[in-house]
Amino acid sequence: DAGVTQSPTHLIKTRGQHVTLRCSPISGHKSVSWYQQVLGQGPQFIFQYYEKEERGRGNFPDRFSARQFPNYSSELNVNALLLGDSALYLCASSLAGSGGRGGGETQYFGPGTRLLVL
Amino acid sequence: AQRVTQPEKLLSVFKGAPVELKCNYSYSGSPELFWYVQYSRQRLQLLLRHISRESIKGFTADLNKGETSFHLKKPFAQEEDSAMYYCALKGPGGYNKLIFGAGTRLAVHP
Repeated sequence: DAGVTQSPTHLIKTRGQHVTLRCSPISGHKSVSWYQQVLGQGPQFIFQYYEKEERGRGNFPDRFSARQFPNYSSELNVNALLLGDSALYLCASSLAGSGGRGGGETQYFGPGTRLLVL
Repeated sequence: AQRVTQPEKLLSVFKGAPVELKCNYSYSGSPELFWYVQYSRQRLQLLLRHISRESIKGFTADLNKGETSFHLKKPFAQEEDSAMYYCALKGPGGYNKLIFGAGTRLAVHP
């Protein structure tokens, strides 16, 4: 298994444009989470999807949206791009989405998509 | 508010020296804490979690609720330990949100 895969690896956009990032989870994993990592900071939670439904959302504006498909892959969409959206976008998959007690669900991260907004 | 603080951006030690990467958290309930590591040109990966009380690659971390800390320790650093280390806290709610610190870069010199 190649692990979590993300595409594209790099992307350059201009302000006001729209972008779609893609993620394929590890086979058998039903949950996908998205994180934004700005240079010099730790990853910041954007969304979690489990069984094609949104399970959690971080403190991001409505310009950010996501969805999960029947094969559990996911897309992150960002509209009306701002310079401040420049970051590494990470996708993480896990077996289930409960994140319950007993250690929670181990999240396996992809290599990320680096987005530059000019 | 839930928060994770890693006060050191860079920790530089010599091979064989002890290492302690500091992590402090703010959380109103019973916390679940993790350490993630990112080696050069590799993806972010789980190193250890406090619930498992395990030692991975010689690293251990003890949860101290009184001091709200979860420091990562290793008695004898190796050059291959050089990496970026992130402390993370599982967020509230029944879903898989991780709250990360800003990270500490560990550089182990020969």
